[in-house]
Amino acid sequence: DAGVTQSPTHLIKTRGQQVTLRCSPKSGHDTVSWYQQALGQGPQFIFQYYEEEERQRGNFPDRFSGHQFPNYSSELNVNALLLGDSALYLCASTSQVQDVLTFGAGSRLTVL
Amino acid sequence: GEDVEQSLFLSVREGDSSVINCTYTDSSSTYLYWYKQEPGAGLQLLTYIFSNMDMKQDQRLTVLLNKKDKHLSLRIADTQTGDSAIYFCAESDSGGGADGLTFGKGTHLIIQP
Repeated sequence: DAGVTQSPTHLIKTRGQQVTLRCSPKSGHDTVSWYQQALGQGPQFIFQYYEEEERQRGNFPDRFSGHQFPNYSSELNVNALLLGDSALYLCASTSQVQDVLTFGAGSRLTVL
Repeated sequence: GEDVEQSLFLSVREGDSSVINCTYTDSSSTYLYWYKQEPGAGLQLLTYIFSNMDMKQDQRLTVLLNKKDKHLSLRIADTQTGDSAIYFCAESDSGGGADGLTFGKGTHLIIQP
């Protein structure tokens, strides 16, 4: 049973560029959340998607946007990249009847 | 706003017990979690506790919750080298992290031979 899968695992961008990260939830899960983990910090909540809509959002600017597809997979888009966007981006999935999140291994973004 | 605090480092000898502490500020925290992160990996859920519980035990792991003091601890019995990792405490007002989990900065557990 595959868990949460994310792609790509690593990528390098330059300031001002745009990036798209992808996530496939664990089988049976329909809700996807995204977190940003800067070096030496705990993860910070970006937003959560359920039924193809953004349900909750953390304290992140509009440059961060997302999408959920009918198969429950999700994308995180970041526009106008800043050096400070360099981080590990974690995707987590759950279902409406569960109390816990299952995390993927993350996508490490480096902005130069 | 909501805040979760943890000490940054803990060093223990192999075979001893490790106790990792966490404090939080949100009075409406309902779910409290412990996650483990190994180098280059994502987060692995270790255990979680509801705010109406005082203690939860799961094999080598014991979680204690003092809701009055907003203090959570994770005890790992018979610590092994494989327990070396960063341990994150997190809280949420709702199950499944619907409103987002708030994490601490993590405690680096260092195992001495």
